[in-house]
Amino acid sequence: DAMVIQNPRYQVTQFGKPVTLSCSQTLNHNVMYWYQQKSSQAPKLLFHYYDKDFNNEADTPDNFQSRRPNTSFCFLDIRSPGLGDAAMYLCATSRILAGGGGEQFFGPGTRLTVL
Amino acid sequence: AQKVTQAQTEISVVEKEDVTLDCVYETRDTTYYLFWYKQPPSGELVFLIRRNSFDEQNEISGRYSWNFQKSTSSFNFTITASQVVDSAVYFCALSEADAGNNRKLIWGLGTSLAVNP
Repeated sequence: DAMVIQNPRYQVTQFGKPVTLSCSQTLNHNVMYWYQQKSSQAPKLLFHYYDKDFNNEADTPDNFQSRRPNTSFCFLDIRSPGLGDAAMYLCATSRILAGGGGEQFFGPGTRLTVL
Repeated sequence: AQKVTQAQTEISVVEKEDVTLDCVYETRDTTYYLFWYKQPPSGELVFLIRRNSFDEQNEISGRYSWNFQKSTSSFNFTITASQVVDSAVYFCALSEADAGNNRKLIWGLGTSLAVNP
């Protein structure tokens, strides 16, 4: 089945220790998104790739970086995690952008704990 | 500015009851899209439906139905004969087609639905 896969499902890191979350897709979608979702909140878009074009949200902290080495994979790097970065991180893909009506398909998420 | 309001924070029903989740949106654009997503306790967001602003036809999919009314800027979601497996947080979202903001979904705060046996 075509899907969006995220690894690991649970990640524990220490304050200030870099961490990388990964996302892969078998849908062959052009767009890949990273969201941060905290408890009882809506997902918050961090950035997205349209093919190789990277688009950062204005309020995404510099601490968050992303890489998309190919169509299938996208990574979220948190360079120096703080306690406030503990959250669920969701990867999503879509064939076209939201403004064109592109529905997004989500992975199961990675729950990040920062000690 | 675009906005999505889900006034019901939490709803609790007994199995087999019908339940309607409200979604009201604001936009100045004439072309836009509305979405509903389901987030069960496992955390994965599941796409349920997309509706574009030019299609006011209501949609039914099994026990799920959606009522889109541009006159009241609403896109409500009804679950008929609810089941325990319907327990989840449901998000309504909006996207606009204008070039300046064509990447982003505007999310409501979600409605947490609990279906009790």
